[in-house]
Amino acid sequence: GAVVSQHPSRVICKSGTSVKIECRSLDFQATTMFWYRQFPKQSLMLMATSNEGSKATYEQGVEKDKFLINHASLTLSTLTVTSAHPEDSSFYICSARAMAGQVGQPQHFGDGTRLSIL
Amino acid sequence: QKEVEQNSGPLSVPEGAIASLNCTYSDRGSQSFFWYRQYSGKSPELIMFIYSNGDKEDGRFTAQLNKASQYVSLLIRDSQPSDSATYLCAAMGSSASKIIFGSGTRLSIRP
Repeated sequence: GAVVSQHPSRVICKSGTSVKIECRSLDFQATTMFWYRQFPKQSLMLMATSNEGSKATYEQGVEKDKFLINHASLTLSTLTVTSAHPEDSSFYICSARAMAGQVGQPQHFGDGTRLSIL
Repeated sequence: QKEVEQNSGPLSVPEGAIASLNCTYSDRGSQSFFWYRQYSGKSPELIMFIYSNGDKEDGRFTAQLNKASQYVSLLIRDSQPSDSATYLCAAMGSSASKIIFGSGTRLSIRP
């Protein structure tokens, strides 16, 4: 159980392109989804937290107009990197959690999307 | 002070030995604690979670929690080369809104 599907797994595109990444919880309803970015050999960096039906909460230093997050249903969240540039190249990982706030509820991660901007 | 602290390693352990990974946290109100394993180039995968003081065992893995000392650990018995990875400790804060991750400990099991 607790499977999170993330697509695409890899994207290579030209600078200036907008890229959409999908994150789906396949066998549970995700009240909260999280988007992370990880550069090589560095820690996970939380970008934003999104609750179904409400605006995402962005971490300090993350541009909300650059990284658009939509969490329209309990099983789907999307991250759109708008007008991507080479410095946006990174490993983007989504994570989902059911029934927020309950003791012991872990986050389950998708397989990640490796984004390369030429 | 980081909210969840781990030694970055690398921690080198011979095959078959016990690997001991440690973590401290600063939010005394934290209720739930998690260990994730992340292989290079892959996303994290959940190994265990614990929320009661004491030990919790699952196969070769044992998580230990000491809330008084704000200390969490993960023991891996009979270490295998496939256990070589970065291990992330995480705590759910008192607000229970999100999980705070440590920066990870890189574990290397030498044959």
